[in-house]
Amino acid sequence: EPEVTQTPSHQVTQMGQEVILRCVPISNHLYFYWYRQILGQKVEFLVSFYNNEISEKSEIFDDQFSVERPDGSNFTLKIRSTKLEDSAMYFCASSRDGSGANVLTFGAGSRLTVL
Amino acid sequence: ELKVEQNPLFLSMQEGKNYTIYCNYSTTSDRLYWYRQDPGKSLESLFVLLSNGAVKQEGRLMASLDTKARLSTLHITAAVHDLSATYFCAGLASGTYKYIFGTGTRLKVLA
Repeated sequence: EPEVTQTPSHQVTQMGQEVILRCVPISNHLYFYWYRQILGQKVEFLVSFYNNEISEKSEIFDDQFSVERPDGSNFTLKIRSTKLEDSAMYFCASSRDGSGANVLTFGAGSRLTVL
Repeated sequence: ELKVEQNPLFLSMQEGKNYTIYCNYSTTSDRLYWYRQDPGKSLESLFVLLSNGAVKQEGRLMASLDTKARLSTLHITAAVHDLSATYFCAGLASGTYKYIFGTGTRLKVLA
């Protein structure tokens, strides 16, 4: 079964450092998303991406965050200068279209720990 | 903006019992989804409910959607320990690509 793959599974970084989280969505999916989940808490929307541009973003997705699809397969989330409160699990997801009839398929997540 | 709330937040139940998790949402949502998350794991899709009155069943879980009441329910029949997990509902706000998740219900089924 096709899956969304994420790397790294766990990253530890110092406050103020840049971090890039990588995702390979399912190959025939067109819509891509990043969500984050602070330990044991709610799953929060960060950004949606379609046709090589951001469709929507949340208030959390400030100037420190950016997304990119550098090639035909990868979808990346960059945090320019990490803060302690960025520590969370970051999930990438993709869907085949934007109609909502197709579910979001999530990756296994990247755990980010900011020290 | 779409807001999604679930109750209860925590649910501890005996094996063999039935229970219902409720998901309320604040504005028009075209679709309603249920996901399961095991500790430290990703989110696994359970159900997609696409219209008013939709009912989906898989094993001991049954989900339904009432768009007039802005309510979805996840009913658990004769719970077993393997159903212990956190269950999230999520809505898709009309005209957006933003899936908004509820607060989650942490279910623990006691043997």
